[in-house]
Parts: sequence; C-alpha cells; structure tokens
Amino acid sequence: KAGVTQTPRYLIKTRGQQVTLSCSPISGHRSVSWYQQTPGQGLQFLFEYFSETQRNKGNFPGRFSGRQFSNSRSEMNVSTLELGDSALYLCASSFDRGSFPYEQYFGPGTRLTVT
Amino acid sequence: GNSVTQMEGPVTLSEEAFLTINCTYTATGYPSLFWYVQYPGEGLQLLLKATKADDKGSNKGFEATYRKETTSFHLEKGSVQVSDSAVYFCALSDQKGYSTLTFGKGTMLLVSP
Repeated sequence: KAGVTQTPRYLIKTRGQQVTLSCSPISGHRSVSWYQQTPGQGLQFLFEYFSETQRNKGNFPGRFSGRQFSNSRSEMNVSTLELGDSALYLCASSFDRGSFPYEQYFGPGTRLTVT
Repeated sequence: GNSVTQMEGPVTLSEEAFLTINCTYTATGYPSLFWYVQYPGEGLQLLLKATKADDKGSNKGFEATYRKETTSFHLEKGSVQVSDSAVYFCALSDQKGYSTLTFGKGTMLLVSP
C-alpha cells in the first residue's frame, strides 16, 4: 500500500508570492491534516479535512487555507508569503474508523523556503 | 489549552546505554498520548501510544507508561542502538473523534558506536 505522498518535496518562493502544496493520502483514508514544522515553534497544527469539509482548524492567519477533493486528496495554499512561513509542511492521513485514537500516517513533507 | 513539554536535546549516548526522554503534558479530560520518531529527511512515524491511565505502550524495545497522577509519558529503552538516532516527539490528542495532535518540541537522540 502506497504511503502518504506530498508534492513538491522542495519549493523556493519569494516574499509576497503565493504557493500551493499537495497531499495524496493513503488509499481509503478520508481524513487529512496539515502541520507546520519550524525550528522555533516545533510542530503546529494547521487544519484537518474530512470528506471535503474542514473539521478542525489551528491558530494560523487567514493567509493559510486548504481544501479537500472528493478523492480525499488535499491542497493547502499560503498567500502573500512571509519569511516566517519558511518551514517543513507535513501532511498526515488517517482512516477514522474503528477505535479512537485514529493513527495518523505522515508524509515526508514539503520544504518551503521563502526568500 | 493543551501543551506538551519534553526535555531538550540533544541527548548523546553510547550504544547499549539506557535511554530516558521525559515528557509531561497539560490537557483537559483524558488525552491519548503518543511518541513519534522522525529520521533525517523523513516524515513522522508512530512509535507507540497509550490511551488511558496506567497503559504501557511498547514497540521496538521502546516503552512509555501513561501516568495520570504526574501527567507524564516518559520514553525509555534499555539498550539503544546507533540506528535509534533520530528526533523523538511526544504528542497528545484530546478530541474524541478527531485526530488533531499537540506536539512537544522534539528531542534529538544521537547514539555513537
């Protein structure tokens, strides 16, 4: 079974631009979560999507948005990039059936560098 | 709000040494607790979990016991190997029905031969 895939793996953008990151969950998984990982703040939850609906949201500004498609693939978008948005963005998927807590499976991440 | 505090690293050990990485948490109710591991250039992998007080999670020689009285979930291994070198994250999930994780800052473990 293929794992969680994220594209692209590396990205360099200029301040003020926007960026879209993609995540393909494990086949059959309906929940997709996004996390930002930085050396200073560690791992922080961005948002979670389930069946194309945002189910939970972290404490990030509105420049960070996401969506989920009918095949469970998800994208996140960051508009008006700032230097502080440089981070590793991790996507995780889970099956969300059976007993709680549902195990999350993480992708390798997209390394975003803002210059 | 929820928070997880874990010891800062790096933790440097020789092969076959005993490992302890401390983790304490603050949460409402009865969270589930996890340890994740991140190898260089990779995403996070679930190492072990515990869902209620006094549960012991174990995997690959690693163990952690859910201690509600001390709000702790310390990671231990009796004999580390060079291949255990990685960053270890303690995390909790307190929202039944959701998968949202609150992570600690991570502890880097370096094991030398």
